[in-house]
Amino acid sequence: QVQLVESGGGVVQPGRSLRLSCAASGFTFSNFAMHWVRQAPGKGLEWLAVISLYGDRKHYAYSVEGRVAISRDNSENTLDLQMNSLETDDTAVYYCAREGPGSAWSMFDHWGQGTLISVSS
Amino acid sequence: QSALTQPASVTGSPGQSITISCTGTSSDVGGYNYVSWYQQKNPGKAPKLMIYEVSNRPSGVSDRFSGSKSGNTASLTISGLRAEDEADYYCSSYTSSSLFVFGTGTKVTVL
Repeated sequence: QVQLVESGGGVVQPGRSLRLSCAASGFTFSNFAMHWVRQAPGKGLEWLAVISLYGDRKHYAYSVEGRVAISRDNSENTLDLQMNSLETDDTAVYYCAREGPGSAWSMFDHWGQGTLISVSS
Repeated sequence: QSALTQPASVTGSPGQSITISCTGTSSDVGGYNYVSWYQQKNPGKAPKLMIYEVSNRPSGVSDRFSGSKSGNTASLTISGLRAEDEADYYCSSYTSSSLFVFGTGTKVTVL
């Protein structure tokens, strides 16, 4: 079955960087676009970024554009999110999510359990 | 890229039907049939896809859940409400900037 497992979260000081990873299994990773979504404590879901099947297209939410970079390694079945210049507002659970089948970007059909980033001095 | 507007809470009794609205603009909800709905039982737990592309149900999702859209507003209807439906629900839409936006979220309470 589809499995997405995030890692790399933790406590980090403001201004520092962190790299999140998502290990995918149970499906052909290179056949699906992938997303990152986050949820701050007590808040709603916020979409962050999407990457196409082979990584040639990437799009970012305005709120994080310029500070984050999404990437993927189809040989290792992993999805990454590099986050720089972290701010306290970046404190959240970060989820990786799979796009649905087909060429259109329209949904998040499977989600990981999330990894928590806590930005604090 | 403003969040789509949802009611903060909706309450219903077992067996009733409730509808959650999701209002956006012509650049997102109104412009594409790429609205999806997610159920989150507990904050911090993985959301679950309930409806995709406005009105389609993934395999395994109860047919008590249905979706529709009119203009810039999408809706999720839960029929025959059950205690197990108590959760937070979020809509999402693709946007004209090749981005995605979520709704503000709705807490469903079953009396």
